Amino acid sequence: NAGVMQNPRHLVRRRGQEARLRCSPMKGHSHVYWYRQLPEEGLKFMVYLQKENIIDESGMPKERFSAEFPKEGPSILRIQQVVRGDSAAYFCASSPLRTGVDNEQFFGPGTRLTVL
Amino acid sequence: RKEVEQDPGPFNVPEGATVAFNCTYSNSASQSFFWYRQDCRKEPKLLMSVYSSGNEDGRFTAQLNRASQYISLLIRDSKLSDSATYLCVVPGGGTSYGKLTFGQGTILTVHP
Repeated sequence: NAGVMQNPRHLVRRRGQEARLRCSPMKGHSHVYWYRQLPEEGLKFMVYLQKENIIDESGMPKERFSAEFPKEGPSILRIQQVVRGDSAAYFCASSPLRTGVDNEQFFGPGTRLTVL
Repeated sequence: RKEVEQDPGPFNVPEGATVAFNCTYSNSASQSFFWYRQDCRKEPKLLMSVYSSGNEDGRFTAQLNRASQYISLLIRDSKLSDSATYLCVVPGGGTSYGKLTFGQGTILTVHP
């Protein structure tokens, strides 16, 4: 059973360009979560999605950031008009059920975004 | 109080030492807790779950004190491979049930 897959692993963009980060959850997992880790900081929750639904986007910046998890295909985190402050590691996690007593979130290897 | 607060560290210990990390959390409704480890530039990986008063797995023991809203992780007989950042993690509650809140992390270096 393959783990959570993310691509690309490294992404370089110039200021003003768009960044698209992809996440394929583990087989059988229908819950996807995105986290951001800024340099020298802890992981911060961004958004929680199920297939075709955004459940909690309380951690998403109000502008330029969006996320989706379509019925078919991977989850996409999209950052429009990137700025240098968007440079970070973006981790995706998945779980079979919502996180609680009996399950955990499994993390992908992350996408490291560098904005020049 | 921060949602999740950990010992700032870093901890530098010799092989074979016992080391303990502390963590406090603010959401008294939280029912379960996790310790993750994160190696440099890698993804977090689950180390232990804590649901009741504590949990033990080999050299690792996690304890929970709900009254004090305090979690600890004890590592006995430290190995060089234990060197990593240890993250105290609290699941969200209410409408934020899926969210994990991470502490800042405690850096552990085990030296020969």
